[in-house]
Amino acid sequence: AQTVTQSQPEMSVQEAETVTLSCTYDTSESDYYLFWYKQPPSRQMILVIRQEAYKQQNATENRFSVNFQKAAKSFSLKISDSQLGDAAMYFCAYRSSGRGSTLGRLYFGRGTQLTVWP
Amino acid sequence: GAGVSQTPSNKVTEKGKYVELRCDPISGHTALYWYRQSLGQGPEFLIYFQGTGAADDSGLPNDRFFAVRPEGSVSTLKIQRTERGDSAVYLCASSLGGIRAPLHFGNGTRLTVT
Repeated sequence: AQTVTQSQPEMSVQEAETVTLSCTYDTSESDYYLFWYKQPPSRQMILVIRQEAYKQQNATENRFSVNFQKAAKSFSLKISDSQLGDAAMYFCAYRSSGRGSTLGRLYFGRGTQLTVWP
Repeated sequence: GAGVSQTPSNKVTEKGKYVELRCDPISGHTALYWYRQSLGQGPEFLIYFQGTGAADDSGLPNDRFFAVRPEGSVSTLKIQRTERGDSAVYLCASSLGGIRAPLHFGNGTRLTVT
């Protein structure tokens, strides 16, 4: 089974500064998807950004960008110009692109709790 | 439009009791997923429905857990003879189906077994 590792249980950043959250994963597949989800206290998992493994270009969504290193199996999230509303638990997740019954399964890391200081 | 709705938001039950957790997906979403999130952990996959059928139930931990989606819309996760170790947040997600379709999550049901 695929495993996703987030080695930073907690991170903090000053408002308006930049922070990077780390994620590594283990897989034998060549094609897959990677995601970063945000989970505020409401418990809802909110998609922040996603990366398709076959694309070399790093995904970007406004203040959020990723550094995808396929050979190293690394997928970090950079948050620029941090805002108070960015404070939440962030989860890295892996999804196979294979057909069949494994289509629906997301594998999540244990999460990184991000605190944003004013 | 309405998102994924899960009821109840919180459920407290005694060890050994039976519980049902409900998920109302986004209208038109054919795929539905259940995940379980224990304290301090990331969500773990339980079961995936495509339409009315369970396409992958390999994440269900044992035969006390069962889920249905009889009309291809609302789903119910059923837990028999609850144990304290079942305490967790149970998350439901839905999507249009297909590998490119993003998952939309509900706010989860926090189950506490005393």
